[in-house]
Amino acid sequence: DQQVKQNSPSLSVQEGRISILNCDYTNSMFDYFLWYKKYPAEGPTFLISISSIKDKNEDGRFTVFLNKSAKHLSLHIVPSQPGDSAVYFCAASAYKTSYDKVIFGPGTSLSVIP
Amino acid sequence: EAQVTQNPRYLITVTGKKLTVTCSQNMNHEYMSWYRQDPGLGLRQIYYSMNVEVTDKGDVPEGYKVSRKEKRNFPLILESPSPNQTSLYFCASSPRGRNSPLHFGNGTRLTVT
Repeated sequence: DQQVKQNSPSLSVQEGRISILNCDYTNSMFDYFLWYKKYPAEGPTFLISISSIKDKNEDGRFTVFLNKSAKHLSLHIVPSQPGDSAVYFCAASAYKTSYDKVIFGPGTSLSVIP
Repeated sequence: EAQVTQNPRYLITVTGKKLTVTCSQNMNHEYMSWYRQDPGLGLRQIYYSMNVEVTDKGDVPEGYKVSRKEKRNFPLILESPSPNQTSLYFCASSPRGRNSPLHFGNGTRLTVT
């Protein structure tokens, strides 16, 4: 059973418009969330993160929103650019005994159409 | 250049033939981890290590071994590979664990026939 879900395998957006990528989680112990971007033939790269003590974090064109009661977070990209076309992974972590684990969602493939 | 280096990038092998995928990072990171990426399943954690000689199982550890004898290296060992281990593998590291972003290698595409 996936603890981190990204229910949209793919998303197409026109250049200049807003892209919204969604992520849901089931484990209420998760307290830190990250988004990674992955281009073909490369490893994922970190994009933006948010702690559970916040409900919003912004970095340039990228904003992540966290709704703890709904166990939902979303990544907004405004304005979308063709270079944003990639697979986006949502990830979550929870402190567990003395060790830490990071759980990734299945990813959403974003295509930004020029 | 700060990086995580995995070798090989591509590997085709046969069932039962032991193999090792190497991973090295030059950033003096304490935390290292292995993931496999499969369609529809995303990245699943195989093993991770908080520091030298400290390793722990992730979500899908069966059929894999790891070791952390030095801080910079974290090899992934498949003692007896099987076709269900055909996947894309990523090694990652970070300075302080889960709340520090992971730095990923470029991946190893493994095919077991």
